[in-house]
Amino acid sequence: NAGVTQTPKFRVLKTGQSMTLLCAQDMNHEYMYWYRQDPGMGLRLIHYSVGEGTTAKGEVPDGYNVSRLKKQNFLLGLESAAPSQTSVYFCASSWGLEPNEQFFGPGTRLTVL
Amino acid sequence: SQQGEEDPQALSIQEGENATMNCSYKTSINNLQWYRQNSGRGLVHLILIRSNEREKHSGRLRVTLDTSKKSSSLLITASRAADTASYFCASRMGGSARQLTFGSGTQLTVLP
Repeated sequence: NAGVTQTPKFRVLKTGQSMTLLCAQDMNHEYMYWYRQDPGMGLRLIHYSVGEGTTAKGEVPDGYNVSRLKKQNFLLGLESAAPSQTSVYFCASSWGLEPNEQFFGPGTRLTVL
Repeated sequence: SQQGEEDPQALSIQEGENATMNCSYKTSINNLQWYRQNSGRGLVHLILIRSNEREKHSGRLRVTLDTSKKSSSLLITASRAADTASYFCASRMGGSARQLTFGSGTQLTVLP
């Protein structure tokens, strides 16, 4: 099992450009999450999904959109990137409400110039 | 705002010593989890303790939970250089809350 994978691993964007981050999991998990991690801080939840075709806002959703068209994939989009979105992005998945131990991907380091 | 706050922010110890990290949270919880993050990597789940449990062990890890004080502690015994990492607590609030809220983490350095 590959677990949770993220594509790409690194990306540099210019302000105003758009991009999509892809997260894939092969554990048949219902729940998937997108977080951002900034230096010296914990993870902040951007959006999450509790099943195929569903999405919900987290703590810091502004400037991001998500889609969960297939159970195994969760996409995070930046429509018009801003320097404030420079961060490391982590995707995670879990079985559901119980147990809700989360499995994390390796992260995507995004720099917006 | 973050649900969990960790203390200390950084901790440096010698190999073989014990390391204790603390986490405080603000609202009632269903469970509290601890994760480890090695530099440049994703988080890895270590242990989960439910709100009706007071103590839990897993190998060299011991977690306690005091719901009256809204706090938890993680003890790593007989630390090794490989334990060097950041450690985060994450709480799932009560009711039907579906997400975890992470603390800001403790950076542990174990010196050989």
